[in-house]
Amino acid sequence: AQSVTQLDSQVPVFEEAPVELRCNYSSSVSVYLFWYVQYPNQGLQLLLKYLSGSTLVKGINGFEAEFNKSQTSFHLRKPSVHISDTAEYFCAVTSGYSTLTFGKGTMLLVSP
Amino acid sequence: NAGVTQTPKFQVLKTGQSMTLQCAQDMNHEYMSWYRQDPGMGLRLIHYSVGAGITDQGEVPNGYNVSRSTTEDFPLRLLSAAPSQTSVYFCASSTTGGRDEQFFGPGTRLTVL
Repeated sequence: AQSVTQLDSQVPVFEEAPVELRCNYSSSVSVYLFWYVQYPNQGLQLLLKYLSGSTLVKGINGFEAEFNKSQTSFHLRKPSVHISDTAEYFCAVTSGYSTLTFGKGTMLLVSP
Repeated sequence: NAGVTQTPKFQVLKTGQSMTLQCAQDMNHEYMSWYRQDPGMGLRLIHYSVGAGITDQGEVPNGYNVSRSTTEDFPLRLLSAAPSQTSVYFCASSTTGGRDEQFFGPGTRLTVL
């Protein structure tokens, strides 16, 4: 079985500050990891993914994430956030071609 | 390409009524899935399909039925609506499965009174 834990339900930050959204996973096999973003009243869209290779993954809108196998983590980072980054962020895991398991989400609140 | 479309956008039902949420994709994706999103719960998988004629249950299938007669369409049926099914429902599709990028529809907000 696979599971995802997003440790923070809300993360408030000021504009232009750095941010890290935390994600830990559990799985008994090799995993593929994802971050999806949901802007208000919209569906989810892919931010970035780790399938294999380099553990540092770059995504859209200046976001990046680092896969750490020993710590079973896949934290999302951005060095300087904008108001427009206000959204809910979901970490997700799958062990292959099986179904995707989502975390409960982290609401990023960027204020001026 | 329209991507993934869902209808209706909003729906109010009374307890015991039935209805079908429609989902269609024009990307020739084999894999389609239905999720429900509830506050503080993230997205939970209801049913999924790996191709026409093949469906399987997800984490929370009770009270829902699906069928996949064509590659494009994957309707979700509520057999007898209950207040616990009040939620936002998202349909998603991808090329072959979970490791591929999931393309999400805009969602259907369902309220059961």
